[in-house]
Amino acid sequence: EVHLVESGGGLVQPGGSLRLSCAASGLTVSSNYMSWVRQAPGKGLEWVSLIYSGGRTYYTDSVKGRFTISRDNAKNSMFLQMNRLRAEDTGVYYCARYPAADYWGQGTLVTVSS
Amino acid sequence: QVVLTQSPSASASLGASVKLTCTLSSGHSNYAIAWHQQQPEKGPRYLMKLNSDGSHNKGDGIPDRFSGSSSGAERYLTISSLQSEDEADYYCQTWVTGIQVFGGGTKLTVL
Repeated sequence: EVHLVESGGGLVQPGGSLRLSCAASGLTVSSNYMSWVRQAPGKGLEWVSLIYSGGRTYYTDSVKGRFTISRDNAKNSMFLQMNRLRAEDTGVYYCARYPAADYWGQGTLVTVSS
Repeated sequence: QVVLTQSPSASASLGASVKLTCTLSSGHSNYAIAWHQQQPEKGPRYLMKLNSDGSHNKGDGIPDRFSGSSSGAERYLTISSLQSEDEADYYCQTWVTGIQVFGGGTKLTVL
C-alpha cells in the first residue's frame, strides 16, 4: 500500500523560507514522476512543481526562481525548498504522483504572514 | 496550453444520479484526464483516470457507483445512488510534458 506523508509546513514571515518533505512508502520516489500541488484557503488545486525520474524539474511560473524541488533516493523522499515566500504562497501543500495524481499525501499547511 | 472547464456547482437528491462535466480546451479533445474527490476538510482522493475513448481505471476502493465516460472534448463523472458522503468538491485534471493542469472544481451538494 502506498503512503505519502508531507511535513515541514508552518508559519513564516514574508520573505522567509521553508523546506517541505514528502516521505514515501510502498512507492519508490526515484522511479516515479512526483509533483507538488497546493491549495490556497477556499480555492482550488494548483500544480506547483514536478520532478521526473531522470531528475528533470519543472515549475509553475509564479514560483520559478524561488522554489526548488529535489529528492533523496536513500530516504525515498521528495522535498520542496521554498524561498522568498509571499502571502500568496499560503495554503496546503500536497505531494502526489504524476501524471494522474493517483496517490496523494494528506498535506501540510504553509502560512505566510507577518 | 490546455485548459479544463468545470461548472462551479451542481446538486442532486439523495439516491439520485448526477453527471459532472469537464471540458477540454480546443485542440486537446484526445487528452486523458483524472477525476479527484475532495470531501470537506480533507485532502484530494483519486477516483479514476478517464481516456478519450471512455475507458477508465478507478482507484482502489472506489465504489461501482462512480463511473466515467467521454464524448469529444467532454469528460464526464457519473455518480449514481447518491449518498451524503458524496457531497464534496470534484476536480478534473490532465497533464502535458512538465505540467499538471487542474479544472476549477465542481462543488456537489446532495439535497
